[in-house]
Amino acid sequence: AQSVTQLDSHVSVSEGTPVLLRCNYSSSYSPSLFWYVQHPNKGLQLLLKYTSAATLVKGINGFEAEFKKSETSFHLTKPSAHMSDAAEYFCAVSGRGNKLVFGAGTILRVKS
Amino acid sequence: DAEITQSPRHKITETGRQVTLACHQTWNHNNMFWYRQDLGHGLRLIHYSYGVQDTNKGEVSDGYSVSRSNTEDLPLTLESAASSQTSVYFCASSESGRGETQYFGPGTRLLVL
Repeated sequence: AQSVTQLDSHVSVSEGTPVLLRCNYSSSYSPSLFWYVQHPNKGLQLLLKYTSAATLVKGINGFEAEFKKSETSFHLTKPSAHMSDAAEYFCAVSGRGNKLVFGAGTILRVKS
Repeated sequence: DAEITQSPRHKITETGRQVTLACHQTWNHNNMFWYRQDLGHGLRLIHYSYGVQDTNKGEVSDGYSVSRSNTEDLPLTLESAASSQTSVYFCASSESGRGETQYFGPGTRLLVL
C-alpha cells in the first residue's frame, strides 16, 4: 500500500524568504514521487517529479525537491518566495499502474 | 497543442438524478483517471482506464461508473447523485509506463442538492 503525509496543512512565509513544504511517503515499491501546484479554481500543474534518477530534482519556477529514501521524505523547497507562489501544493506517490496517491495538500501563503 | 478538457465546468443537480461528466484528451494517452477533490482529503481516485474497453475501480468508486469506447474520452457517470458526491472532479491522462506524468483537466465543480 502507498500513502503520503503532508506534514503542514498551511505554511506562511514572507516574500523573499525560503519555502519548505514537507512530504513523507510510504510505498511497497520503488516509488515515483511528484509535486503538483494548484492555483485557485484551476487544475493541477506538475512542478517536478522523481523517478529513480538523481535524488535532487529541479522543477519549474525555481522549486526543487530532494528524495531521501532513509527518511522516506520528498520535501519541496524554494530559496526565495514570490507572491505568485501562493497556492495549494500536493505531494503524490505512484507505484504499479501509474496510479497516484495524493497527500491532503499544503496551502502556501506569501506575505508582502 | 494537446490538451485535456472537461465539461461542464459547473453543474448543479438534484439528489437521485443521473449525471455524466465528460473528459476529452488529445494527447493520445492510453491511461485516463478520474479523481475527486475534497477539503482535507487531497485528490482521491475514483476510476481509471489503461485503454479502450478497460476500466478499473479506484479508492472511492461506489456510486460512480465509467466506460472507455475510444482513446480520447472517459465519461464519468453518477448513477443516482447523492449530496455526498458534491465535490470537484478532475480528469487526468498519462502515457503508459512507470513514473509517467499525469496531465490534469481544469475540473468540474458539482453541487448535488
